[in-house]
Amino acid sequence: QKEVEQNSGPLSVPEGAIASLNCTYSDRGSQSFFWYRQYSGKSPELIMSIYSNGDKEDGRFTAQLNKASQYVSLLIRDSQPSDSATYLCAVNWRGSQGNLIFGKGTKLSVKP
Amino acid sequence: ETGVTQTPRHLVMGMTNKKSLKCEQHLGHNAMYWYKQSAKKPLELMFVYSLEERVENNSVPSRFSPECPNSSHLFLHLHTLQPEDSALYLCASSQDVRHDYNSPLHFGNGTRLTVT
Repeated sequence: QKEVEQNSGPLSVPEGAIASLNCTYSDRGSQSFFWYRQYSGKSPELIMSIYSNGDKEDGRFTAQLNKASQYVSLLIRDSQPSDSATYLCAVNWRGSQGNLIFGKGTKLSVKP
Repeated sequence: ETGVTQTPRHLVMGMTNKKSLKCEQHLGHNAMYWYKQSAKKPLELMFVYSLEERVENNSVPSRFSPECPNSSHLFLHLHTLQPEDSALYLCASSQDVRHDYNSPLHFGNGTRLTVT
């Protein structure tokens, strides 16, 4: 069964803190992992992608992948109120063309 | 125009109506998608087209009918919908269907559909 699990939140952090968002997936053969940000009433936008075990950093964002544990996370350093959004984890599905499986998303609220 | 554009942004239709959603991508991508986003549910893939050929159909009811006349345009034809079909319908495109590092999804702004 295709599953991508995320804590729905809301996750509330103070401005300037580190926000940690987590995602687990069920298909061991998955190879591509994505984090999308979705503001209320808007469409998802890609913020990070990761394909190899370890960390990948881009500005204030760090994606972490552990394929053995089937776990991918997103860290947001120096969180800003503008980071308040729902963060969607997406995983490609082995053997299925074009089928990215999305989690339900974690709602993040950054308090000034 | 750049990116992925969808029209209309909002649509209210009765259960006996027929309407169509339109999507156009200006990114030169080869793959296009329809996703459905309902409250408290994950994004659900409905249809995938690669170079105008349908490659994935996730058991979507026949009241939803996709059409892809070329690699830049995608339509979703709607007829005899049910109130539970009310949702945000998102079009997306990618370079190809493999979803590797070179091919993330780019979404349009969506059509908010309400079925009365």
